[in-house]
Amino acid sequence: DTGVSQNPRHKITKRGQNVTFRCDPISEHNRLYWYRQTLGQGPEFLTYFQNEAQLEKSRLLSDRFSAERPKGSFSTLEIQRTEQGDSAMYLCASSPGANGNTIYFGEGSWLTVV
Amino acid sequence: AQTVTQSQPEMSVQEAETVTLSCTYDTSESDYYLFWYKQPPSRQMILVIRQEAYKQQNATENRFSVNFQKAAKSFSLKISDSQLGDAAMYFCAYSGPWGEYSGGGADGLTFGKGTHLIIQP
Repeated sequence: DTGVSQNPRHKITKRGQNVTFRCDPISEHNRLYWYRQTLGQGPEFLTYFQNEAQLEKSRLLSDRFSAERPKGSFSTLEIQRTEQGDSAMYLCASSPGANGNTIYFGEGSWLTVV
Repeated sequence: AQTVTQSQPEMSVQEAETVTLSCTYDTSESDYYLFWYKQPPSRQMILVIRQEAYKQQNATENRFSVNFQKAAKSFSLKISDSQLGDAAMYFCAYSGPWGEYSGGGADGLTFGKGTHLIIQP
């Protein structure tokens, strides 16, 4: 069990640039989640996938954000035209997919928009 | 929408002593799940303990135990024999009932704002 893997771990970008984060979930976990966490706050749900289908999106996920999980394995989260308010830790998590299964988190990708 | 409240931004305890972290939540559901996650300075969120709402017995994991009061919607975490490695942010989280392909209303985990636990040597 290699755990949930995220990269890059840190990204500094200029305002207006696009950034993409990748998440590799625990193998055979069919649910994958993206959360955003800012300093001093708990993680906030952004979106989740059941296999390749994106089943839920939070209102926090503006039009500049897009997530994909093309083959039901890894996922990407792209932020277009980044803004300073996008600076946060982006956490990926996965679970086996049954009711109440434990969700396992990756180490996160820290984004700083300057 | 469900909400999770952690009223203690920071707690401090002497090493080897016991500390209790508080959590309350609001839901109209009767079947749900509650979790405590630990986030050390390395920032990876690690599951500490989980509780199914339909179980009356409080969950325990070694030095960690919970006091689950369903009627009061309270879910506190007790850490016994505190160790330096317990120092971290602790987040209480709620997960509602959902099926395999719920298609909506499944919002993953709802977290509280966290409690920063300091262990005094």
